[in-house]
Amino acid sequence: AQSVTQLDSQVPVFEEAPVELRCNYSSSVSVYLFWYVQYPNQGLQLLLKYLSGSTLVKGINGFEAEFNKSQTSFHLRKPSVHISDTAEYFCAVRLIQGAQKLVFGQGTRLTINP
Amino acid sequence: DAMVIQNPRYQVTQFGKPVTLSCSQTLNHNVMYWYQQKSSQAPKLLFHYYDKDFNNEADTPDNFQSRRPNTSFCFLDIRSPGLGDAAMYLCATSRDIGTSYEQYFGPGTRLTVT
Repeated sequence: AQSVTQLDSQVPVFEEAPVELRCNYSSSVSVYLFWYVQYPNQGLQLLLKYLSGSTLVKGINGFEAEFNKSQTSFHLRKPSVHISDTAEYFCAVRLIQGAQKLVFGQGTRLTINP
Repeated sequence: DAMVIQNPRYQVTQFGKPVTLSCSQTLNHNVMYWYQQKSSQAPKLLFHYYDKDFNNEADTPDNFQSRRPNTSFCFLDIRSPGLGDAAMYLCATSRDIGTSYEQYFGPGTRLTVT
């Protein structure tokens, strides 16, 4: 079975500071990796995904993530955050072969302080 | 714009009174999912339809049922809601053909049980 661990439940940062949200996964088979963002009382929106190829993937809103197979990590980064980035961020995996289901981490609440 | 629509956005029901939540999509995706998300938790997959094939998660209570009358619509039926079923219910879709494997989420329906 697959599992996802987001190492920080809450991350407070100041506006315009850089941020890294950490994600580690466990799987005995190859997976696809995703980061989703959820604003209050809304559904989830895809930020970026890693399917194959370059391990550094760029997403929307200035976010990027790096896939590290040896460390089974997929950390999300942004060099300079804005107040509007305040939201819950979820890392997720799904199998390349077989079931289509996403397995989510517990989420990281990113709070941007002025 | 193509999208995933959930109605209603907010639903209040009484303990034990059956309730149906609705999801429709204009993306023509072949897979539709229902997730339950409780406060400050990750979304939890209840079941999904791959075309007309229903796939139930092993730990989804019998109280939760689903119908997919056609490609565009999917319903979540809660036969006898309990207080513990109060949550955000998220519908998602995906098109498991080609190279795009992300799920597209609706805005969710927040269910309150009184």
